[in-house]
Amino acid sequence: GAVVSQHPSRVICKSGTSVKIECRSLDFQATTMFWYRQFPKQSLMLMATSNEGSKATYEQGVEKDKFLINHASLTLSTLTVTSAHPEDSSFYICSAKQGGGTEAFFGQGTRLTVV
Amino acid sequence: KQEVTQIPAALSVPEGENLVLNCSFTDSAIYNLQWFRQDPGKGLTSLLLIQSSQREQTSGRLNASLDKSSGRSTLYIAASQPGDSATYLCAVRGNTPLVFGKGTRLSVIA
Repeated sequence: GAVVSQHPSRVICKSGTSVKIECRSLDFQATTMFWYRQFPKQSLMLMATSNEGSKATYEQGVEKDKFLINHASLTLSTLTVTSAHPEDSSFYICSAKQGGGTEAFFGQGTRLTVV
Repeated sequence: KQEVTQIPAALSVPEGENLVLNCSFTDSAIYNLQWFRQDPGKGLTSLLLIQSSQREQTSGRLNASLDKSSGRSTLYIAASQPGDSATYLCAVRGNTPLVFGKGTRLSVIA
């Protein structure tokens, strides 16, 4: 089956620093990638949708200057949390979809802790 | 705006019991519905995907049904095992990307 690899699985960073999370589709070309965030005991909430080679589309309430998304190739998308604060501590998970496909495949997620 | 609700929020059952998890959604104009399993601190594992034209899907001990008109889906787990303990998420896809419920946290006691 389709495999999506997300890295790192856990990261702890100091307040004010930036953190980059990578999402790779290993055996298919992901024309569309999605980034989600999940707070404890809450549902996954879509942050943004990115199409390869285009600017990401952000959901309402998500700061595009804080959460930088790059989808420069068909197998890699990155999410950079800039100037991280403790309230950004969360579980971030990506998913990837082939063009025309109906199913998206999920990465393993990244647990971000900002101290 | 699509909203997905899962009931119950948590469930604890003895090993061997059959159980049903419920999912409801407010907008019946969906393309598909998907059930996932999430282990603590881990990513999502897709269990079953039901297209809007389908009524149910089966995989091993799992059976998912979809009643699109009433906005409901159920996940049936037969002969539950301790290894089934996890959070089960329901998600629907319509004109927007997946919208998730908050999940049902299942504990199967040996």
